[in-house]
Amino acid sequence: EAGVVQSPRYKIIEKKQPVAFWCNPISGHNTLYWYRQNLGQGPELLIRYENEEAVDDSQLPKDRFSAERLKGVDSTLKIQPAELGDSAVYLCASSRQDRGKTDTQYFGPGTRLTVL
Amino acid sequence: DAKTTQPPSMDCAEGRAANLPCNHSTISGNEYVYWYRQIHSQGPQYIIHGLKNNETNEMASLIITEDRKSSTLILPHATLRDTAVYYCIVRVLGDSSYKLIFGSGTRLLVRP
Repeated sequence: EAGVVQSPRYKIIEKKQPVAFWCNPISGHNTLYWYRQNLGQGPELLIRYENEEAVDDSQLPKDRFSAERLKGVDSTLKIQPAELGDSAVYLCASSRQDRGKTDTQYFGPGTRLTVL
Repeated sequence: DAKTTQPPSMDCAEGRAANLPCNHSTISGNEYVYWYRQIHSQGPQYIIHGLKNNETNEMASLIITEDRKSSTLILPHATLRDTAVYYCIVRVLGDSSYKLIFGSGTRLLVRP
């Protein structure tokens, strides 16, 4: 079974440019998460989806960050415009929720963003 | 949210057991202890989780104290590929899903 797929793996952009990250979760996983990991720190949750609905986006900087999961499968995280402080690894994770109980989260390899 | 405390770094010899401790003294009765690890340039990898009983799988064993205030992850025969940052996380329940709150983890170095 394929794991969580993310692309691109690496992205280098200049500040003020837009950037987008894509995630394909594990088949059958209805819950999807985006995390950000700064250098030397643990990942921090940005947004969580249950199917198409964003159920927790309290940590997403909404002035420049947006996310979507239109058909409840793939998801895209966008930053516009990017700032120097956005340089980080962006991780996608997915899990299966069944009858109110959520299974283990499985992570993708991440996208390393460098903003120059 | 319950917080965890882990030593910043540890090392062990290849082939020996690696015992990684974690303190979670404010854990609630319905919160699970999860362990993930992150090898350089990869996403976090799930290892094991437990509530109150000791757990074992093909990767590791998890020993949780009776008062649930601490736990130990045991890698029985560490290899060089086990060199990674190990995160001990307490699962936060909410809205029928859960948020993983990562700390700084323990950087384990397995020596040849």
